Amino acid sequence: DTAVSQTPKYLVTQMGNDKSIKCEQNLGHDTMYWYKQDSKKFLKIMFSYNNKELIINETVPNRFSPKSPDKAHLNLHINSLELGDSAVYFCASSQERSRYGYEQYFGPGTRLTVT
Amino acid sequence: AQKVTQAQTEISVVEKEDVTLDCVYETRDTTYYLFWYKQPPSGELVFLIRRNSFDEQNEISGRYSWNFQKSTSSFNFTITASQVVDSAVYFCALSEAYGNNDMRFGAGTRLTVKP
Repeated sequence: DTAVSQTPKYLVTQMGNDKSIKCEQNLGHDTMYWYKQDSKKFLKIMFSYNNKELIINETVPNRFSPKSPDKAHLNLHINSLELGDSAVYFCASSQERSRYGYEQYFGPGTRLTVT
Repeated sequence: AQKVTQAQTEISVVEKEDVTLDCVYETRDTTYYLFWYKQPPSGELVFLIRRNSFDEQNEISGRYSWNFQKSTSSFNFTITASQVVDSAVYFCALSEAYGNNDMRFGAGTRLTVKP
């Protein structure tokens, strides 16, 4: 059973399009996250959700919006895609927020390519 | 602000050599948590270990060992008798109990183990 799953695994789209990436966790965790990993492998947190409340919003463009229909899902919507959005996006979850010492478990990643 | 430095960008060793990956962190909090993650060529991020700031005991898990030293703000990771399957990017990460960022990652160290 996959603990944290993401769909799609690969996403190729053109500039200006709107796309979504879905994430689901079956670990019963209370907190979920979205990360962006650039071509140099640098991991940057974008959002985290705890009990359906946004608790971190790093300096990401407002074209990116997280949506959490329930505790087990955190989807990422991206509007007006730009070339610089090309990256691997990881979803993660933890039992509670990592600031309380809980490790995060990551999904397999979604490689987004904007042409 | 929290900061994690992994000064070694890339390391290359021959199989069966021992290798140490360095991690130095900065924080003003007295309560914090340190993590190591592995990202093999397949791309997923795998949790390896968590250590809290009050526990300086070193840990050994098979060929892996971790050395946490608060005096030098370091949390180094040693692989003994390295194997080709250890080839991956290894990330060190920090969470502060009173910080805003749930987890901040270092830039990663790419380890290549040659047969």
